[in-house]
Amino acid sequence: TQLLEQSPQFLSIQEGENLTVYCNSSSVFSSLQWYRQEPGEGPVLLVTVVTGGEVKKLKRLTFQFGDARKDSSLHITAAQPGDTGLYLCAGVRANAGKSTFGDGTTLTVKP
Amino acid sequence: DAGITQSPRHKVTETGTPVTLRCHQTENHRYMYWYRQDPGHGLRLIHYSYGVKDTDKGEVSDGYSVSRSKTEDFLLTLESATSSQTSVYFCAIRPTSGGQETQYFGPGTRLLVL
Repeated sequence: TQLLEQSPQFLSIQEGENLTVYCNSSSVFSSLQWYRQEPGEGPVLLVTVVTGGEVKKLKRLTFQFGDARKDSSLHITAAQPGDTGLYLCAGVRANAGKSTFGDGTTLTVKP
Repeated sequence: DAGITQSPRHKVTETGTPVTLRCHQTENHRYMYWYRQDPGHGLRLIHYSYGVKDTDKGEVSDGYSVSRSKTEDFLLTLESATSSQTSVYFCAIRPTSGGQETQYFGPGTRLLVL
């Protein structure tokens, strides 16, 4: 059973469109991270959310942590080809000492 | 740049051969992790370390062992490689300042077991 479910698994859109990626779980997390990974490279941290209901913005990316700290979403406004990549969420449960990753969403933004 | 290097970056080996992958960090961080990444499975934790000679198993530890004799190096060993261990292996470190679980990843090692 996957602890963190990401959806959709694949997403292909045109440049300029908006999109939302989801990361859902039945478990409560003390923090949740979003990473972006390009082919041939390691994941790179985008943001960490800690407080239930928290919203963080990073240019055209908006991250939200659910009120119950069980889920999160990533919204991209006016997607650009440079946004193409694998988006991973990772959650840490209290006192676990390690992260659990979702399977990722592969985003392709076509010019 | 979190100062993480992995070696080798690419390796082809045969079934039954022992393989050791090395992760090296320059920042003296306490926590280090080994993950494997396969299509459709995201990142799965193999082993992790919370200090010199202190290691613990992750969710997919069977067939793997680790060692950490120095803060800066975390070694992953496949005692007898199998084709199911063909994967991309990532090392990560976690700074302990700030109280958050942010991890910084190395560039990965692509392993092919024939």
